[in-house]
Amino acid sequence: GAVVSQHPSRVICKSGTSVKIECRSLDFQATTMFWYRQFPKQSLMLMATSNEGSKATYEQGVEKDKFLINHASLTLSTLTVTSAHPEDSSFYICSVSRSTGVGYTFGSGTRLTVV
Amino acid sequence: QKEVEQDPGPLSVPEGAIVSLNCTYSNSAFQYFMWYRQYSRKGPELLMYTYSSGNKEDGRFTAQVDKSSKYISLFIRDSQPSDSATYLCAMSTTSGTYKYIFGTGTRLKVLA
Repeated sequence: GAVVSQHPSRVICKSGTSVKIECRSLDFQATTMFWYRQFPKQSLMLMATSNEGSKATYEQGVEKDKFLINHASLTLSTLTVTSAHPEDSSFYICSVSRSTGVGYTFGSGTRLTVV
Repeated sequence: QKEVEQDPGPLSVPEGAIVSLNCTYSNSAFQYFMWYRQYSRKGPELLMYTYSSGNKEDGRFTAQVDKSSKYISLFIRDSQPSDSATYLCAMSTTSGTYKYIFGTGTRLKVLA
């Protein structure tokens, strides 16, 4: 299966600033990566599907201009939270489809706190 | 009604107990059923998956799917403190979509 590296693991930023989160597929060429958001005691919510070389596909209710996704290579996708607000504080996780085709390999997640 | 329902717990059991974790679902088109384990502040890791109905065993873990009842279970035998984590179920249809639907996760604590 894939090995997925996600950075940073934790970040604290001020309201109004932007934060970039990186997701790397270390041993697998990922044409598609996925970005999830997880609130405490809630399920993983798919935010968007990141497609290499093309625009991301966002889920309903997710603001495209706020959560910018770039998938410039087969091994790297980035999520930028723009003009962050305290309500954006959450746990963000990326994932890659497993080579077996069933299930994902997840990154270790990024805890974002906006103060 | 949510597509996937899972009791959030927490569930506390003594070491060595048999643990039963469950999810119910409403979409009869689901064909792939997965269980993930998530330690605190980490991403989920896939424990096992099952296609359609039936049982699957892997060491101390057994996954069961009852499609007639739209009910899936994960059993952990001889539970260990290291099993303490949140367990999430996830499901998808056979349409080739990558959109897995996750349960909220059940927090499990195995007491030494």
